Amino acid sequence: EIVLTQSPDFQSVTAKEKVTITCRASRSIGSSLHWYQQKPDQSPKLLIKYASQSFSGVPSRFSGSGFGTDFTLTINSLEAEDAATYYCHQSSSLPFTFGPGTKVEIK
Amino acid sequence: EVQLLESGGGLVQPGGSLRLSCAASGFTFSSYAVNWVRQAPGKGLEWVSGISDGGGGTFYADSVKGRFTISRDNSKNTLYLQMNSLRVDDTAVYYCAKDGGATVTTSKYFDLWGRGTLVTVSP
Repeated sequence: EIVLTQSPDFQSVTAKEKVTITCRASRSIGSSLHWYQQKPDQSPKLLIKYASQSFSGVPSRFSGSGFGTDFTLTINSLEAEDAATYYCHQSSSLPFTFGPGTKVEIK
Repeated sequence: EVQLLESGGGLVQPGGSLRLSCAASGFTFSSYAVNWVRQAPGKGLEWVSGISDGGGGTFYADSVKGRFTISRDNSKNTLYLQMNSLRVDDTAVYYCAKDGGATVTTSKYFDLWGRGTLVTVSP
């Protein structure tokens, strides 16, 4: 099973700041890494597919990068509505796995 | 409207059974793999099971293998999860999630999620 680790676990930032979340895979997964946003009491929503491709309708302040084992989600100029937990997910091999999540709070 | 709508959750005793359903609308359901993903209270996401477009390929997490069965009825645009021998640690919100691809073995990403249905296993 591929284990995904995320850092940090929690981040408290002010609006308009830049946020960087990392996801590391226990072995190479190529670009089969996707990012989701989950707001309180809502279901997850796809933000970034295949490490760096923005999903339809996602604001341009969200971007992703990485390949192999190390990946990054960047939120440029954080907005209040971005308060949420962010998860990475690998579809390279079964069982599919998710990272433990990074909670982003707005100060 | 493109959506997934889960139902069938509830309170059940350990050892009991439940059948979850997920009704799809607004897209060609039969062209995509679909998955169940669960989230225990206050915890992260856990993939539970997936089924390919035609229903021929089914896959499970080790934690539910032998107890849960995934199936689909493409004529009714509906996904199912039969859950038997339920345990306290199966307590979670269960989401259905549409895959961007047709088969589980060539899974892409989960691009559409339902709102979830809560399953509580308690004596």
